Amino acid sequence: KQEVTQIPAALSVPEGENLVLNCSFTDSAIYNLQWFRQDPGKGLTSLLLIQSSQREQTSGRLNASLDKSSGRSTLYIAASQPGDSATYLCAVVGTGGAQKLVFGQGTRLTINP
Amino acid sequence: DAGITQSPRHKVTETGTPVTLRCHQTENHRYMYWYRQDPGHGLRLIHYSYGVKDTDKGEVSDGYSVSRSKTEDFLLTLESATSSQTSVYFCAISQTGDTEAFFGQGTRLTVV
Repeated sequence: KQEVTQIPAALSVPEGENLVLNCSFTDSAIYNLQWFRQDPGKGLTSLLLIQSSQREQTSGRLNASLDKSSGRSTLYIAASQPGDSATYLCAVVGTGGAQKLVFGQGTRLTINP
Repeated sequence: DAGITQSPRHKVTETGTPVTLRCHQTENHRYMYWYRQDPGHGLRLIHYSYGVKDTDKGEVSDGYSVSRSKTEDFLLTLESATSSQTSVYFCAISQTGDTEAFFGQGTRLTVV
């Protein structure tokens, strides 16, 4: 059974810092890994999708990497801003059986002005 | 934003009553999913659909049923609501099961 872990559960940093969020998964047989952002009381917003054949994806100040063999992904946020404060979730779609997202518990990020 | 609408957005219901949540999409995506989100448990899959009339169970399907009679609509029914089903419910869609997934804004359900 695929398990996804995100550490730390919460992170607080001053504005302007570069930071890294971590995601690990137990089964490397995946189609893709997706990073989401969730603001309080809101739905999930897709940030980046990395296919299993890719090593990284970039969107603006965000860069996500994938090391499938070691079961790890990182989300790098450059020059953090207070508006980046949210919960960040990673999820994987496995190749065995049903094609569904399995989520980590998320990292709650606070950027202090 | 992907065209996903969940209704209702908020609902309070009594224990033992039936409840139906609706997810409507305008993207013509084949896959649709229902998740619930609870503190300490994260997002867990309830049921999903991979086409009209094609549905399957997720990890927390007990007490829930689904139907998909049209590509654009996926209904989640709680046959007899219980307090343990108090949660935030999210609908998601993807074009195929291994492509980018998009989520609705959620339905907050309270069972009293």
